[in-house]
Amino acid sequence: GAGVSQTPSNKVTEKGKYVELRCDPISGHTALYWYRQSLGQGPEFLIYFQGTGAADDSGLPNDRFFAVRPEGSVSTLKIQRTERGDSAVYLCASSPQTVRNSPLHFGNGTRLTVT
Amino acid sequence: DQQVKQNSPSLSVQEGRISILNCDYTNSMFDYFLWYKKYPAEGPTFLISISSIKDKNEDGRFTVFLNKSAKHLSLHIVPSQPGDSAVYFCAASGRGSQGNLIFGKGTKLSVKP
Repeated sequence: GAGVSQTPSNKVTEKGKYVELRCDPISGHTALYWYRQSLGQGPEFLIYFQGTGAADDSGLPNDRFFAVRPEGSVSTLKIQRTERGDSAVYLCASSPQTVRNSPLHFGNGTRLTVT
Repeated sequence: DQQVKQNSPSLSVQEGRISILNCDYTNSMFDYFLWYKKYPAEGPTFLISISSIKDKNEDGRFTVFLNKSAKHLSLHIVPSQPGDSAVYFCAASGRGSQGNLIFGKGTKLSVKP
């Protein structure tokens, strides 16, 4: 398919461990976003990339969270020293960003469970 | 404090009738509003949007109304179909932001045959 792909779809890890979540955006989309959705809440913005650079990382909750997009395509969200409160669905989205407010195309998310 | 509020966690409607989903916002800097639909185990999918310079936008069975003075928007679905059963999220974007959407908590719509 040509949609946003996120792997793994599910990840269970122990408290204190390091995890990486991967996002493959739609080909040709220059803008990439990470959101987090906790139970009973709407998606919450984490970080936005335009090309390779993080244009807005104001949503990252603390310095345990980091994201990269080295070649302007695939992105990895990295979480160090995971805590139980990090358990959520992590959503990636992309857009062509040719016009402000281009609708975001979301992947199916990675469900992270920290035990 | 939530900037985008969807005060109804759930809504049940009979097939063929109108579904009205409501959303309120507090930030007057928001100038673009979107509705997303989400099925279980899938990501949200874009449904319809409206700019603050308009008060109505229509796309097939879906119409979004914006009342800026009341800081209120609504999504109308008519006629409702069982396949419309999903969680609907209202989202807002402010001037100068690029994809930093503020989402409400969502309303779960159930359309009964």
